[in-house]
Amino acid sequence: DGGITQSPKYLFRKEGQNVTLSCEQNLNHDAMYWYRQDPGQGLRLIYYSQIVNDFQKGDIAEGYSVSREKKESFPLTVTSAQKNPTAFYLCASRLTGGNEKLFFGSGTQLSVL
Amino acid sequence: GENVEQHPSTLSVQEGDSAVIKCTYSDSASNYFPWYKQELGKRPQLIIDIRSNVGEKKDQRIAVTLNKTAKHFSLHITETQPEDSAVYFCAAGSGSARQLTFGSGTQLTVLP
Repeated sequence: DGGITQSPKYLFRKEGQNVTLSCEQNLNHDAMYWYRQDPGQGLRLIYYSQIVNDFQKGDIAEGYSVSREKKESFPLTVTSAQKNPTAFYLCASRLTGGNEKLFFGSGTQLSVL
Repeated sequence: GENVEQHPSTLSVQEGDSAVIKCTYSDSASNYFPWYKQELGKRPQLIIDIRSNVGEKKDQRIAVTLNKTAKHFSLHITETQPEDSAVYFCAAGSGSARQLTFGSGTQLTVLP
């Protein structure tokens, strides 16, 4: 059940503030992903990274930023430009090279004060 | 880009009955179709997946069917049990990065 850890579990953002969500994995996975989950809308891809120091925008990247300085870590920053940040954020990872299975973290619930 | 539609959004069945959830996709390049189960307050977990070179796949009480021509795929759960109650998501993906597009989810409730 472990292997990919997200923190914190709950996070509150004040207006105009940037906040960073942590995602760490010890599965030696190459690819990492960030999804946003809103009620009734499924999971939408924010950013993904296939290798260190490289990442691509997903479907809803506006107002978010990421970095991939280490293989194990893929933090997501929710910037003040994201006007509707309240959501459940899920990080995921997988091996590449034909292994399709995504492993998800336990998520971070972000709310706006 | 890819668009995945999932139906129904809610489904209630009696314990022991079968449940079927259907998804359609728009991008003919999609070649990987997983199904994830998310129990309340927990992370999504892969329960079964299928690739475009296969029409059907079974794993005990669950099965997935794929119709590439019609661009739809379905999840079948037989002999449902209360522990099957959860939200189920379908997804479609392609390419080396395997970025997945998810359906909106189906809340399955199995009534004892």
